[in-house]
Amino acid sequence: GAVVSQHPSRVICKSGTSVKIECRSLDFQATTMFWYRQFPKKSLMLMATSNEGSKATYEQGVEKDKFLINHASLTLSTLTVTSAHPEDSSFYICSARRDGYYQPQHFGDGTRLSIL
Amino acid sequence: EDKVVQSPLSLVVHEGDTVTLNCSYEVTNFRSLLWYKQEKKAPTFLFMLTSSGIEKKSGRLSSILDKKELSSILNITATQTGDSAIYLCAVEGAALLFGKGTRLHILP
Repeated sequence: GAVVSQHPSRVICKSGTSVKIECRSLDFQATTMFWYRQFPKKSLMLMATSNEGSKATYEQGVEKDKFLINHASLTLSTLTVTSAHPEDSSFYICSARRDGYYQPQHFGDGTRLSIL
Repeated sequence: EDKVVQSPLSLVVHEGDTVTLNCSYEVTNFRSLLWYKQEKKAPTFLFMLTSSGIEKKSGRLSSILDKKELSSILNITATQTGDSAIYLCAVEGAALLFGKGTRLHILP
């Protein structure tokens, strides 16, 4: 199998709080993990590519100081939403891909973030 | 600009019917096309297609890629209520680009 675990599944917090989301590949190693954001009734939008042992690659328009990514091991990437505001409320989903050619991305269950 | 277009956007059929979902793409440096099923949470992987004309099959679901037409179809035969979901097509070029999905609803 290829299981990706994402935690927490839901977060509700006050404006100005920083929130950390974890993404773990449970039964495989993933040099590369990905962070997506999904708005209601919209498709997934790639925010950044997380690379183990090096800096993340951010998509155009995504603030790297706002969305801090750390990929400290081959099975764990974290996304920290710093000083979150209501406009950061969204569904955040991570994915991981086994190393090697032509491997699909496997997704975590997502984190619904609500900033009051 | 790269894009992935799925059709129809939504579909309602009766249990037992067969459905065909479409995906067309314009993506630079195409590597693969993937189908995912999304229910309440995150997408679950169905198929990855890299070569034209080779059908991938899993139970009642099957999919095929046509690189000449830059398209793919996902077929579901003998549909069941549990097939109700959003089906996402994604194409990997420089990154994984998703279509908007087809929302499929199966009536009992």
